[in-house]
Amino acid sequence: EVQLVESGGGVVRPGGSLRLSCAASGFTFDDYGVSWVRQAPGKGLEWVSDINWNGVSTSYADSVKGRFTISRDNAKNSLYLQMNSLGAEDTALYHCARRSNGYYFDYWGQGTLVTVSS
Amino acid sequence: EIVLTQSPATLSLSPGERATLSCGASQSVSSRNLAWYQQRPGLAPRLLIYGASSRATGIPDRFSGSGSGTDFTLTISRLEPEDFAVYYCQQYGSSPWTFGQGTKVEIK
Repeated sequence: EVQLVESGGGVVRPGGSLRLSCAASGFTFDDYGVSWVRQAPGKGLEWVSDINWNGVSTSYADSVKGRFTISRDNAKNSLYLQMNSLGAEDTALYHCARRSNGYYFDYWGQGTLVTVSS
Repeated sequence: EIVLTQSPATLSLSPGERATLSCGASQSVSSRNLAWYQQRPGLAPRLLIYGASSRATGIPDRFSGSGSGTDFTLTISRLEPEDFAVYYCQQYGSSPWTFGQGTKVEIK
């Protein structure tokens, strides 16, 4: 069974940093690209960042470019998101999602909540 | 960036009725690279449809997708109790990948 379990969320002050993790199981992790997708409270889905299977190719939404860094450790079946210079607009539930070869998201984690507040 | 607009925002229907959800794109979505997801309260999104009309693994055949270019539709032929949820469309034909704002299907 494919599982994606996020962790690392919490409350952080504006301007602070946080590192999210996503532990993958039930599939060959390094066969797939993976993304972070966030959902502000009561709002819709927003793609944040993506990394290809070997970590060589990454991409970011304009709203996080220069502040967030995506990475992965295939030996640990894990995905990460380093978030710096956080603002209130980054408050959201952060999901990791497995990207199919067709670039849609075929499995999602339940998410980890990030709250930016003073 | 391609903007996706879903309509209606809310659809109030009874179990057994047919639901028709629309997703309009600000530019043509290449190669029918459009997906639909279902999100029940407190749960992760679930892939329903990819390639505009292909059902994902394990998705019942009461769910169907159609459309191309800038106009796409998700149809639920007969609503079951577990189908009352929020539905999102997503285009993955051009970067950045974008989602619609969602359509909530609620019990009338």
